[in-house]
Amino acid sequence: DAGVTQSPTHLIKTRGQQVTLRCSPKSGHDTVSWYQQALGQGPQFIFQYYEEEERQRGNFPDRFSGHQFPNYSSELNVNALLLGDSALYLCASSLTGDGYTFGSGTRLTVV
Amino acid sequence: RKEVEQDPGPFNVPEGATVAFNCTYSNSASQSFFWYRQDCRKEPKLLMSVYSSGNEDGRFTAQLNRASQYISLLIRDSKLSDSATYLCVVREGSYIPTFGRGTSLIVHP
Repeated sequence: DAGVTQSPTHLIKTRGQQVTLRCSPKSGHDTVSWYQQALGQGPQFIFQYYEEEERQRGNFPDRFSGHQFPNYSSELNVNALLLGDSALYLCASSLTGDGYTFGSGTRLTVV
Repeated sequence: RKEVEQDPGPFNVPEGATVAFNCTYSNSASQSFFWYRQDCRKEPKLLMSVYSSGNEDGRFTAQLNRASQYISLLIRDSKLSDSATYLCVVREGSYIPTFGRGTSLIVHP
């Protein structure tokens, strides 16, 4: 039984570029949440998707957008990248919002 | 004031020591509490939930003090493998869990 899988594992982008990160939830899970974790900080909530809709959103600008597909997988898109967007991006899946399981994350570096 | 506050440490202890971490939260409506463990450059993993009556899992004991709005984690007989960052997580009902910044623990020989 695969857990949460994220791709890619590492990514280097230039300021101003756009990036798409992908997440496949754990089997049986229907909810996907995205977090940003800067070095030395705890994970910060970006948004949560359930039934292909954004259910809740944290304090992140509109440059951060997402999508959930019918198979429950999800994408996180970030436009107009800034140096400060460099972080570990974590995807967590759950069943209707309970019992979070995290993926191993995508480490994004913006140069 | 941050919603969930933790002392970032690091806590540097010898093997076999007992170490305790505290975490304070600001939202009195919080209902669910957890401790997660995060190894360097890895994802957070659930260590244990924290129940009102307190709970124990082997060498780990978690306590909740609602009146003072803090939770604690006690690790007895520390092992080298306990070295990690411990994240406090607080949740209000069905709302999104809020993470603290984590407390770093280093257990040395």
